[in-house]
Amino acid sequence: EAGVAQSPRYKIIEKRQSVAFWCNPISGHATLYWYQQILGQGPKLLIQFQNNGVVDDSQLPKDRFSAERLKGVDSTLKIQPAKLEDSAVYLCASSLGSGRNSYEQYFGPGTRLTVT
Amino acid sequence: GNSVTQMEGPVTLSEEAFLTINCTYTATGYPSLFWYVQYPGEGLQLLLKATKADDKGSNKGFEATYRKETTSFHLEKGSVQVSDSAVYFCALIPFGTGNQFYFGTGTSLTVIP
Repeated sequence: EAGVAQSPRYKIIEKRQSVAFWCNPISGHATLYWYQQILGQGPKLLIQFQNNGVVDDSQLPKDRFSAERLKGVDSTLKIQPAKLEDSAVYLCASSLGSGRNSYEQYFGPGTRLTVT
Repeated sequence: GNSVTQMEGPVTLSEEAFLTINCTYTATGYPSLFWYVQYPGEGLQLLLKATKADDKGSNKGFEATYRKETTSFHLEKGSVQVSDSAVYFCALIPFGTGNQFYFGTGTSLTVIP
């Protein structure tokens, strides 16, 4: 089975520019997550979708970050404008969905963003 | 609140040495506990999990036991290999809160021949 796909793998931008990341989850997975992983830290959840609805976006900096999951499949995460502190790896993950035994999340390889 | 505390790294071991990476947690109720591994240049992969007290998760020679009395989920392996070099993350999902993970900061392991 194909895994979670993400693109691009690497991105370098200047501060105040905008950037977008794309994620294609595993087929059939209803739940999709975006995490931010700053160097030396564990992943931090930014937003969680169940199908095309937002379940949790409490840690998403909404003044500059936005995400959508049209049609409940692919998702994009956008940053506009970027700040230096946004430099991190952005991970996408997916899972089958709800239920205590559907916790296993499958992670993509991530997009490494460098803001200069 | 919910949180995970891992032993700080980096950890460097010789091949065939015994590995322990400590993990303790704070959570309400009965969380599910996980160990994820991140190999260089790759995404996180689930290594093992335990969903209730006294459960032992195991995979690829690694194991961890859910200890509610000590709120711990230490990762162990009897004989590490060079290919085990990676970053290991302990994580939890609180009971009844959906699928939101709380990750530790990760422990980097390097195994030398």
